[in-house]
Amino acid sequence: LAKTTQPISMDSYEGQEVNITCSHNNIATNDYITWYQQFPSQGPRFIIQGYKTKVTNEVASLFIPADRKSSTLSLPRVSLSDTAVYYCLVVRDSWGKFQFGAGTQVVVTP
Amino acid sequence: GAVVSQHPSWVICKSGTSVKIECRSLDFQATTMFWYRQFPKQSLMLMATSNEGSKATYEQGVEKDKFLINHASLTLSTLTVTSAHPEDSSFYICSASIRTGDGSPLHFGNGTRLTVT
Repeated sequence: LAKTTQPISMDSYEGQEVNITCSHNNIATNDYITWYQQFPSQGPRFIIQGYKTKVTNEVASLFIPADRKSSTLSLPRVSLSDTAVYYCLVVRDSWGKFQFGAGTQVVVTP
Repeated sequence: GAVVSQHPSWVICKSGTSVKIECRSLDFQATTMFWYRQFPKQSLMLMATSNEGSKATYEQGVEKDKFLINHASLTLSTLTVTSAHPEDSSFYICSASIRTGDGSPLHFGNGTRLTVT
């Protein structure tokens, strides 16, 4: 499984856009990129998943360049409640095994 | 959406006793469930993969005789921490996928906080 690297922490103010970039240089052809959010003492919550180009849902966008060696999670206009740890995962479709990296602690302040 | 229920949400037990944690998929059938452990300020660590009707597959370094996993039905997997010790105190999280093999998202329970005294 491809190893992921993401920043340990990011700070932002309310209303700003937060972009978290994840590196996954060894991503394989049939790997998907998936992002989860975790609040303290809770299980992770699915945010978004993509394979290539751009994916958008009601909470975030995921940008994946053509070489797929990195991806960027974009959180538009964050609020205090977006303070959480965000995990980037690369998932092999034939295995379905989800290995979590260190994650990025995002802190949003007023 | 798919819901995974985990019970109990927290438990305190004495050293040497066993504790069972249940993980249920409420509105879907999960042929595969995963168990994770998370220590404070750390990421989730995959402990084992639980397949319905067969033996669990444990990650390297996880003692299968200490962490007993049973996946007797398509909606229930249990993790039993046997002869618990204070170092087993952790946050245990289960997850389930409707399908494996296509990168479909995992659905996580809300975790069980185990404290061994």
